[in-house]
Formats: sequence, structure tokens, C-alpha cells
Amino acid sequence: AQSVTQLDSQVPVFEEAPVELRCNYSSSVSVYLFWYVQYPNQGLQLLLKYLSGSTLVESINGFEAEFNKSQTSFHLRKPSVHISDTAEYFCAVSEYPGGSYIPTFGRGTSLIVHP
Amino acid sequence: DAGVTQSPTHLIKTRGQQVTLRCSPISGHKSVSWYQQVLGQGPQFIFQYYEKEERGRGNFPDRFSARQFPNYSSELNVNALLLGDSALYLCASSLSWGHSNSPLHFGNGTRLTVT
Repeated sequence: AQSVTQLDSQVPVFEEAPVELRCNYSSSVSVYLFWYVQYPNQGLQLLLKYLSGSTLVESINGFEAEFNKSQTSFHLRKPSVHISDTAEYFCAVSEYPGGSYIPTFGRGTSLIVHP
Repeated sequence: DAGVTQSPTHLIKTRGQQVTLRCSPISGHKSVSWYQQVLGQGPQFIFQYYEKEERGRGNFPDRFSARQFPNYSSELNVNALLLGDSALYLCASSLSWGHSNSPLHFGNGTRLTVT
């Protein structure tokens, strides 16, 4: 069965500094990987996804994540954060083929950007 | 286009009572999933429905049930409420089922408090 570990529950950082949110997964088959973001009092929004092809995927707001199969990781990075990036970030994994295609979520990492 | 809408936004119930939560998917989306998000945790999968049939069920007791209507809207029912059922209940819709490149679109959730 698939599982996701987000190693940091909270990551404080100053504005314009770089950040990395870590995500490791466990699965016996191939996987799709996702990062979702949740702002206060809202649902989750898809930030980026890895399905196949290039292991480096990017979002429209400057985040990127790299799929590392040997390390079973999918860490999220941004070279320069903004106050508005303060939110909860969830990593998710979905197995294929033969899996349920239903994503399993990690427990989340709270990114706190200080001015 | 309207996003995923959930009602009510907040709900307070007493132990032992029953509750019904409602979800309307994005127009054209035929799959609806329900997740429970306890404070400080990632979303936990409860049910997935596609074309009015249950396609997946998470590790939740039989007190939890759901259904999908011909217009693809959905209800989640929880009987004999326990204090531990207090959580944010998220509904997500997607175009299809069985394809992980059909991303989940989440509503803002229903905050259930059981006293």
C-alpha cells in the first residue's frame, strides 16, 4: 500500500529566501505524485503534478518539484518565497497500474513566511 | 464556471446524532470523492463515486455512507456521531475515474463539530 511522509510539520522562512518542503513516498508499483496547497478556510488546490516524462515539474507561481525514483522523493522548492505563499502544503501519491488511482495524502507542512 | 460547492459550511451536532453533508461538483465532472481532514492532519479518503456507483471506499466504519445522484451531486451521511468525527469534510470532483491525470478539484469543505 502507498504511503507519504512529509518530514517537516512546520517550515518558517523569511520573505525572498529559498525554501524546500520535503516529501518521501513508499510504494511497490509506479506512482503519480502531486503537491496541493491549502490556504486558511479553503479546500485544497493542485499546485503541480508528476505523471511521466521529465522528472522536474513546475507550477505557474514559481514552485518546482523533482521526482527522484531512487530516493523515493518528490521535494517541493521555490527559490524566493512571498508572504502570500504562507499556507499548508500537502504531498500526495497515487499508484498505477493496478492501484486505486485514489491519492493518499501526507499530513502536511505548514509554510510560514515572515516579512 | 462555479467550482465545487459544499453545504453547509459549518455544522454543530451532538454525540449520537446523524448528519448529512452535500456536494455539487463542477459542471461536467462525473466523479465525486469525500475526504475527512482532522485538524493538523492530511485528508483521509472516505468514498469515491463515479456515474452513481461506489468506486472506492476508505477505512471508515459503516456509520459513514454516501450516494451520488443522477445530476452527479453527492451526499455524505454519518450516523451515531462520535466526538472523533469532528473534522473538516472535503468533497472533490474530477472529470473521470480511474485516471490519475484527471486532477481533483476540492470544495472549501464543511466544518463539523461534535459536542
